[in-house]
Amino acid sequence: EVQLVESGGGLVQPGRSMKLSCAASGFTFNNYDMAWVCQAPKKGLEWVATISYDGSSTYYRDSVKGRFTISRDNAKSTLYLQMDSLRSEDTATYYCARICGYLDYFDYWGQGVMVTVSS
Amino acid sequence: DIVLTQSPALAVSLGQRATISCRASQSVSTSSYNLMHWYQQKPGQQPKLLIYDASNLASSIPARFSGSGSGTDFTLTINPVQADDIATYYCQQSRELPYTFGAGTKLELK
Repeated sequence: EVQLVESGGGLVQPGRSMKLSCAASGFTFNNYDMAWVCQAPKKGLEWVATISYDGSSTYYRDSVKGRFTISRDNAKSTLYLQMDSLRSEDTATYYCARICGYLDYFDYWGQGVMVTVSS
Repeated sequence: DIVLTQSPALAVSLGQRATISCRASQSVSTSSYNLMHWYQQKPGQQPKLLIYDASNLASSIPARFSGSGSGTDFTLTINPVQADDIATYYCQQSRELPYTFGAGTKLELK
């Protein structure tokens, strides 16, 4: 069974940093591109970043470029999102998601982790 | 960015057909694929994949869900609607980065 379990969220002050983790199991992690998708409270879904199966390529939405870094450790089957210079508008639930093949849809999602940026 | 437009809400009776639309600001189809996908999200839960490549049913999804469309206009149909289908439905395009989602259509009981 595919499982994605996020951790590392919580309350953080504006301008500070936070690192999210997503532990994957039930599939061959290093065969899949992975992504982070966020959802602000009572709002819709927003793609944040994608990393290729081997970590060689990364892609970000404009609003997080230069502040967020997606990475992975294939030996540990774990995905990460390093979030620096956090802003109040980054407040959201962050989901890690597995990307399926070349059609780039998200076939499995974690349960999500809440990040609140507030002083 | 490709903007996906969905109606905010749809009221439907149990046992009836629900048709949820998603319109893209530009084509999301290639010569081989229709890069539009659909997700269901219930309150407090993560999204769940329903349909990929516009019309392909994801694993374990009941056959009362179906998808259609190409180019800029896509439809998710639920027929017949069951109580467990009350949720918010999102379309998502993967034609180009940044991948974008519609704002969601909340399916409500009439």
